[in-house]
Amino acid sequence: DAKTTQPTSMDCAEGRAANLPCNHSTISGNEYVYWYRQIHSQGPQYIIHGLKNNETNEMASLIITEDRKSSTLILPHATLRDTAVYYCIVRVANSNSGYALNFGKGTSLLVTP
Amino acid sequence: EAGVAQSPRYKIIEKRQSVAFWCNPISGHATLYWYQQILGQGPKLLIQFQNNGVVDDSQLPKDRFSAERLKGVDSTLKIQPAKLEDSAVYLCASSPGGNTIYFGEGSWLTVV
Repeated sequence: DAKTTQPTSMDCAEGRAANLPCNHSTISGNEYVYWYRQIHSQGPQYIIHGLKNNETNEMASLIITEDRKSSTLILPHATLRDTAVYYCIVRVANSNSGYALNFGKGTSLLVTP
Repeated sequence: EAGVAQSPRYKIIEKRQSVAFWCNPISGHATLYWYQQILGQGPKLLIQFQNNGVVDDSQLPKDRFSAERLKGVDSTLKIQPAKLEDSAVYLCASSPGGNTIYFGEGSWLTVV
């Protein structure tokens, strides 16, 4: 699996957009970009994933550069409940047997009042 | 929809003792995972099951860790004998296949 690089920590003011970057310069053509987050004392939670195109759901937007070597997760209006560790993961998706995620250390996002 | 259930939530044992964790995945999910998360690190995959078969156990320390999913539904993870470095959160997760994995809240183990 391609390796990802994320900043160790970031701050964001409540109500502002949180933009979390991820570098994955060795990503292969069949690897997806996944984002999960982990709120303190809870298990990781799926946020969004994408292959080439930008994606948006009710939680966030995912912007993938044209060369696919980096991506940005955008939380459009961060709230205090968005304080968590955010993991960017690249992985081949296998719909037959599922897939395993290999987590790095992620980015610790602190949303402040 | 009920989530992934894990028990016990917290466990404290002495080194060289044994411990077992139980996981009940979301109904109908064929794939089940056990992850280990040491404080300050991201989760690390220990073992992946597809129904009752093992897909990947390359990172499971087999001299002391074992896991089973006999009927292809719930699963147990056992550690015997425990070491101090086994202190961690043990996360169970399940997936119906495809792109989303659902995690339980984890079982917190402290080895003293």
